[in-house]
Amino acid sequence: GNSVTQMEGPVTLSEEAFLTINCTYTATGYPSLFWYVQYPGEGLQLLLKATKADDKGSNKGFEATYRKETTSFHLEKGSVQVSDSAVYFCALERGSQGNLIFGKGTKLSVKP
Amino acid sequence: NAGVTQTPKFQVLKTGQSMTLQCAQDMNHEYMSWYRQDPGMGLRLIHYSVGAGITDQGEVPNGYNVSRSTTEDFPLRLLSAAPSQTSVYFCASSYRTAGELFFGEGSRLTVL
Repeated sequence: GNSVTQMEGPVTLSEEAFLTINCTYTATGYPSLFWYVQYPGEGLQLLLKATKADDKGSNKGFEATYRKETTSFHLEKGSVQVSDSAVYFCALERGSQGNLIFGKGTKLSVKP
Repeated sequence: NAGVTQTPKFQVLKTGQSMTLQCAQDMNHEYMSWYRQDPGMGLRLIHYSVGAGITDQGEVPNGYNVSRSTTEDFPLRLLSAAPSQTSVYFCASSYRTAGELFFGEGSRLTVL
């Protein structure tokens, strides 16, 4: 069945460090892939998405590339800020209704 | 624009009590869904709806009922609360399929 696996957290970085959060998926076909972010005390919000192989999604300095050959969608940012501290969720879309399957989330803490 | 509004934000119940979590959206979205978020489990889909009068089960539907009498509202009913239903519940909506979800701020439920 379809599933999403993302790296365990928490991840603690210093400001301006490089960020990678790994996400791999198992799916039939080529589902759309997403990264959502949850700031403390809030609901999730869409960060970026990619709808087909080799697509690169980007937003707010974050990027992720849909890699069919490695079934991966790793999230990267070149220089993190304290304000990026949040929980990040990788997700894939499945089925005709397009329901999302979420990974377990990775908590990122950025220290000044 | 209110977006997705959930009430109540916090609720404490005793085992066996019933209650309804309310969800309303003002974006004219066809798709609405309920997730629960538990530590180490990510988000799991409870029920979803692709339009007024149409509902379906997600991954973890047991113990919950939903209905969709209008496009705007999608209440989640707990028929007989159990401690295992202690969780944070999120309502989310999307214009069409589930991909680009807009989330409410969540409802934290504790069942004693």
